[in-house]
Formats: sequence, C-alpha cells, structure tokens
Amino acid sequence: GENVEQHPSTLSVQEGDSAVIKCTYSDSASNYFPWYKQELGKRPQLIIDIRSNVGEKKDQRIAVTLNKTAKHFSLHITETQPEDSAVYFCAASRGNSGYSTLTFGKGTMLLVSP
Amino acid sequence: GAGVSQSPSNKVTEKGKDVELRCDPISGHTALYWYRQSLGQGLEFLIYFQGNSAPDKSGLPSDRFSAERTGGSVSTLTIQRTQQEDSAVYLCASSQDQGASNEQFFGPGTRLTVL
Repeated sequence: GENVEQHPSTLSVQEGDSAVIKCTYSDSASNYFPWYKQELGKRPQLIIDIRSNVGEKKDQRIAVTLNKTAKHFSLHITETQPEDSAVYFCAASRGNSGYSTLTFGKGTMLLVSP
Repeated sequence: GAGVSQSPSNKVTEKGKDVELRCDPISGHTALYWYRQSLGQGLEFLIYFQGNSAPDKSGLPSDRFSAERTGGSVSTLTIQRTQQEDSAVYLCASSQDQGASNEQFFGPGTRLTVL
C-alpha cells in the first residue's frame, strides 16, 4: 500500500518568514495530493490540493509543488502569520482509480511567533 | 448547510466495555470515512464506505472494531471490549463521490478515553 512520509515534525518560524513542509510517497500510481490544516482542538480542513497533471499550484500565500519523478511534494507558506500556526497534514491517493482512500503523513506542527 | 456531525463529543468508558460512536455525514455525500487520531499522531485510516457497503476496511486494527452504515447516511463505529490503547480521537469524514480525489469534510471527532 501507499506510505507517506512528512518532514519536519515541528517547524518554528518568525512572523513574515516562509515555511516549507515536505512529503514523500511510495505508490507511483498516486495522482492526488491534498493538504489539510488542523488548528488546535478543531477538525482538519482542506487548504490546497494538487493533481499529477500539474507541477505547481498557488492560492494566495500558499503553494504546493509536485515532483512525480522523485515522488515528493511540498507545501510552501509565504509571509507567515500567527494564525497559520496549526498542524498540517499531507496525503496521497490514487484519486478516482476505483475505490481509493487517502493515506496521510504524520503531520507537521507549525508555530509562527509574532 | 450542516456539516459532518459526530456524537458523543466525549466518551469515557471502562476497560472491557463496548462503545458506539456515531457519524452523520453531509447530506448527499456518498463516501464516508473513519479515522483514528492518537495524541500527536497523524490520521490513521480505519474504514471507508461507499453508500452502505465498505469496499475498504483494511485499517480496522482488530476484530473488536466494526462499523456499519445504513440508508447511505448515518454510520456507527463499534468497539467491543475496549482496551486502554483504544483511547484516541475518532474522526469521521464524508465526501461527495466515490474515490478519494474529492475534498473530505471532517466532523469534530469523538474523544474516547478508556480507563
């Protein structure tokens, strides 16, 4: 089955700095890669996703890049703000290839200091 | 509209007791997922429903765990003879269609504590 590794497990940055979280996956057939944000005591929420037919996707201060050859994808947050502090999870799946489920990484706790 | 809801929000039980956790998905969502989140850990997949059938139950950790879904809507996760290692937050999610390339909407979770 799919295996997703996520690094780092914790990341501390100063407000205004950039933050990068990296994930690798093992299943070359995976083609859908979402990122979820979970604030303390709250439920995970989708913040951005990318499919294998593109290499990069941006949404305001967040961007995700995908390297299918190397089987890794990354989340980039620019101009970080204290409200970005949360746990971020990457995930991978085969998308609509039959019945497929998301395999999540173990998460990265991002702390943004004012 | 209403999001995914779960009940109870908290459950404290004694070791050896059975518990039932309930999930109400977003209306019209055909896919439903159960996850387990232990302290400081990621989201561990348990089981996936498409309609009332469970094509993937590979994540259930033992035969003490079972789940069902009726009417293509409400799902119940049952843990029999609970053990202390079952203590965790149990999250339910639903999505609009089959497959996993559609956004999963999570419920608030049920925090289970086994004494």
